[in-house]
Amino acid sequence: AQKVTQAQTEISVVEKEDVTLDCVYETRDTTYYLFWYKQPPSGELVFLIRRNSFDEQNEISGRYSWNFQKSTSSFNFTITASQVVDSAVYFCALNPSTGRRALTFGSGTRLQVQP
Amino acid sequence: GAGVSQSPRYKVAKRGQDVALRCDPISGHVSLFWYQQALGQGPEFLTYFQNEAQLDKSGLPSDRFFAERPEGSVSTLKIQRTQQEDSAVYLCASSLGSPGTGSYNEQFFGPGTRLTVL
Repeated sequence: AQKVTQAQTEISVVEKEDVTLDCVYETRDTTYYLFWYKQPPSGELVFLIRRNSFDEQNEISGRYSWNFQKSTSSFNFTITASQVVDSAVYFCALNPSTGRRALTFGSGTRLQVQP
Repeated sequence: GAGVSQSPRYKVAKRGQDVALRCDPISGHVSLFWYQQALGQGPEFLTYFQNEAQLDKSGLPSDRFFAERPEGSVSTLKIQRTQQEDSAVYLCASSLGSPGTGSYNEQFFGPGTRLTVL
């Protein structure tokens, strides 16, 4: 069984603040992929990043960075210098490397960036 | 089109009505997934197709839910005798390859169909 937990239901920050979205996962698979998706008010899921369980290097893409720690089963997402356009619901997701590969999503964190 | 499309975008049904939701995946994509997203929740897996074969329907919540992909491209999710608890956004995703091929294939999501059952 797989499970993804996003304990933060909603976060509100002021523009230019840094914000970290937490994600903790459970899986019995030895190899798996982790993801972050953004869901703006329009509703479409926008892919942000994929991380293979073998690769524990942190990644930075512009204002976004991800911290993967296999020892604590966490895959946290940080937005630096947040902007109003970052306001959305963010989902962490997991799927195994084998099998049907359906994604298991967390319940999401709603981020509101105030101007 | 360039992406996954779904129709209708919005559907209002009276309890007890049957509905059909359509998904047009990206051309050539082998795998197709349906997810259900209740308000304030993350998407949950419903069913998976590899070409025309429905290989996993373990997420379908009841036998009122039925999905098909007869020619391995367009898929339809049908809900019979809709209930209020069926109200949700139904998301379709497609990916180029098949699971278990040894390589990852990104899932591309459509905009979803918001179903409201009155």
